[in-house]
Amino acid sequence: EPEVTQTPSHQVTQMGQEVILRCVPISNHLYFYWYRQILGQKVEFLVSFYNNEISEKSEIFDDQFSVERPDGSNFTLKIRSTKLEDSAMYFCASSEGSSVEGEQYFGPGTRLTVT
Amino acid sequence: AQKVTQAQTEISVVEKEDVTLDCVYETRDTTYYLFWYKQPPSGELVFLIRRNSFDEQNEISGRYSWNFQKSTSSFNFTITASQVVDSAVYFCALSEEGGGSEKLVFGKGMKLTVNP
Repeated sequence: EPEVTQTPSHQVTQMGQEVILRCVPISNHLYFYWYRQILGQKVEFLVSFYNNEISEKSEIFDDQFSVERPDGSNFTLKIRSTKLEDSAMYFCASSEGSSVEGEQYFGPGTRLTVT
Repeated sequence: AQKVTQAQTEISVVEKEDVTLDCVYETRDTTYYLFWYKQPPSGELVFLIRRNSFDEQNEISGRYSWNFQKSTSSFNFTITASQVVDSAVYFCALSEEGGGSEKLVFGKGMKLTVNP
């Protein structure tokens, strides 16, 4: 069964460093998302991406964040200068279509620890 | 604005008990979608169900059942004859149609512990 994959599973970085989280969505999916979950809290939407551009972003997704689909298969989230409060589990998700057409499938997550 | 409320934060039951997880949502849209996801201790998010706002039929899948009531803006989830493997955090989520995004707005989650 196709699945969303994410690498790495755990990333430790120092405050101020740049990190890139990688995701490979399900191959025929067209909508891509990043969410984050601070330990013990709810899952929060960061950004959605469709047709090679951001379709919506949350207040969390400030200028330090960017997303890219560099090669038609990968979908990346970059944090330019990490802060302690960026420590969280980051989930990538993809869906075949909009909510009308299907649900979002989530990857296993990347745990980001900023020290 | 979209909002999902899961009033219960944690429930502990004994195996074989039935348990109902409550979910109340707020939205101004007439077309929207409701979801339940399971997050086991391993951390991944597992899709359980999606319902659209026009389909109020209750649904049963094995030991799982869902009760959608637009009149009370609720989408409750019942696990019948719970098992230890059901122990997880369960999230209810809402998505509104349109705008090219359909982001999911999650509730805070409810941690279910099923004891043997």
